[in-house]
Amino acid sequence: DVKVTQSSRYLVKRTGEKVFLECVQDMDHENMFWYRQDPGLGLRLIYFSYDVKMKEKGDIPEGYSVSREKKERFSLILESASTNQTSMYLCASSQTRGGNTNEQFFGPGTRLTVL
Amino acid sequence: LAKTTQPISMDSYEGQEVNITCSHNNIATNDYITWYQQFPSQGPRFIIQGYKTKVTNEVASLFIPADRKSSTLSLPRVSLSDTAVYYCLVGASQAGTALIFGKGTTLSVSS
Repeated sequence: DVKVTQSSRYLVKRTGEKVFLECVQDMDHENMFWYRQDPGLGLRLIYFSYDVKMKEKGDIPEGYSVSREKKERFSLILESASTNQTSMYLCASSQTRGGNTNEQFFGPGTRLTVL
Repeated sequence: LAKTTQPISMDSYEGQEVNITCSHNNIATNDYITWYQQFPSQGPRFIIQGYKTKVTNEVASLFIPADRKSSTLSLPRVSLSDTAVYYCLVGASQAGTALIFGKGTTLSVSS
């Protein structure tokens, strides 16, 4: 089975801190995604990457950056955390070559609270 | 990316068949129709995908009319454990593209 792991299940940070959320997948997938999920707003795409060192903005990239130095790892960075970034963050991956790009496999999520 | 419209919520009882319809009037020729299911405190899970006509797997069936401007996810004989949010998405399955999740349909199954 595909496994997508996220570095923390729960995280509490202070306003202004730099925050790193790590995501690792073990199935050699080309594509990786970061979403945030808030009550009443559904899942919103922050950034995605379709190859190492490649990144594309999603719907709400402001206040975030990403890094993909290795194929299996995709990091989401909050340069200066703010209270409105308190949310559930979900990472996902999918395969392009020999697979279905539309079939994304999600991690368990990181619930981030910014105080 | 094609926009989708689906009901905000639906209620059902155990044992009933549930049909969730999604509109996607601007679907492109290369787009597939994909449905996900999300339980509370978990990430979404892919359940079914189709291009046209009917697709069936062990979880659900997906009906797509010839014009492809809508689709219907059918869950046979639902149980309490089918209570979840269901998302309808359309998009091409190709490199450099991403699906857009909306707010989904919250299905509540009662006994």
